[in-house]
Amino acid sequence: GNSVTQMEGPVTLSEEAFLTINCTYTATGYPSLFWYVQYPGEGLQLLLKATKADDKGSNKGFEATYRKETTSFHLEKGSVQVSDSAVYFCALQVFASYGKLTFGQGTILTVHP
Amino acid sequence: EAGVVQSPRYKIIEKKQPVAFWCNPISGHNTLYWYLQNLGQGPELLIRYENEEAVDDSQLPKDRFSAERLKGVDSTLKIQPAELGDSAVYLCASSLGDTNTGELFFGEGSRLTVL
Repeated sequence: GNSVTQMEGPVTLSEEAFLTINCTYTATGYPSLFWYVQYPGEGLQLLLKATKADDKGSNKGFEATYRKETTSFHLEKGSVQVSDSAVYFCALQVFASYGKLTFGQGTILTVHP
Repeated sequence: EAGVVQSPRYKIIEKKQPVAFWCNPISGHNTLYWYLQNLGQGPELLIRYENEEAVDDSQLPKDRFSAERLKGVDSTLKIQPAELGDSAVYLCASSLGDTNTGELFFGEGSRLTVL
């Protein structure tokens, strides 16, 4: 079956620190990979995605590279801000599963000034 | 443009009582999803609608859960009777068409507590 494993949290950083949230996956077939973010009081929203091996998704200073050989899609940001405090979910979708996303358990990020 | 709207945001009921959640998707989005999010876990798909048709309800526990989307716009998810284990957040999402892009638009969720 399909599954996504995220590093255990919560993660607490100081402003301007480097962020890495690890994500690994198992999938039947060739998945597309996603990071969703949930800010306090808001719904989940798509942060970035990658649809094939070696693709790099990027948005708002966040990046993640689709690594097929290590089945990973780690999220990184060079300098976090207080406004990045949120819950981050790694997810996958196999082809033709039409919106059926398999999510990791989520990682809570708190950034202090 | 309004996002996905869900109500109620919070609901507390006693076990064996019924409960219903309502969702209004983004205007023009013909695909609607209900996801279940247990505490400390990621969301899991319960049901997917294309217009008014439930095209994937394989994960919906049909003994106590039901859903409808009568006019292909808003949708209701019902639990009857509720059990303690149903305490969770119920998320509604929508997308434009049958998506293989993975971009779903989520509402804020309805948090259910069963006592």
